[in-house]
Amino acid sequence: DAGVTQSPTHLIKTRGQQVTLRCSPKSGHDTVSWYQQALGQGPQFIFQYYEEEERQRGNFPDRFSGHQFPNYSSELNVNALLLGDSALYLCASSLSLAGGQETQYFGPGTRLLVL
Amino acid sequence: GESVGLHLPTLSVQEGDNSIINCAYSNSASDYFIWYKQESGKGPQFIIDIRSNMDKRQGQRVTVLLNKTVKHLSLQIAATQPGDSAVYFCAESYTGGFKTIFGAGTRLFVKA
Repeated sequence: DAGVTQSPTHLIKTRGQQVTLRCSPKSGHDTVSWYQQALGQGPQFIFQYYEEEERQRGNFPDRFSGHQFPNYSSELNVNALLLGDSALYLCASSLSLAGGQETQYFGPGTRLLVL
Repeated sequence: GESVGLHLPTLSVQEGDNSIINCAYSNSASDYFIWYKQESGKGPQFIIDIRSNMDKRQGQRVTVLLNKTVKHLSLQIAATQPGDSAVYFCAESYTGGFKTIFGAGTRLFVKA
């Protein structure tokens, strides 16, 4: 049973460029959340996708967008990259149930460096 | 605003001793709490969770305690091992919400 997978593992971009990160959820999960983790800090919630729609968003600008596909996999897109976007980007998957969701399981992350 | 914080940024313990990592939360609406372990270069790994209708939950060598009166939770690790060295995060969420809020983390060092 595969866990959460993310690609690529590392990425280097320059300011102003655009980046797309990918996530495949754990088998049986239908919900994907994305987090940004700066060095030495806890993960910060970016947004969550369920039924191919964004259903909650954290305090991130519109430069951050996402998509969920019918097979529940997801992409995170960041436009007009800034130096401050350098971070570990984590994907977490879970199963949504009536009244809440089950535990989130995290992938290994994509380390993004913006130069 | 909502926040989940940790009292101790670093904790150093001797191998075989018990470890206690503390966490405070401020959102009284939070009803689900999770502890994650993160090793260097890896994503957070689920350790144990607890819902607000409980005040204690035990796993293998770990126990989570929840005190809703003072909005405090703790993670106890019994017989700490070198493999327990990592950063530990507490996190909170609430029924009907989809966002999980993480604290800043506590780094646990286990001395052999």
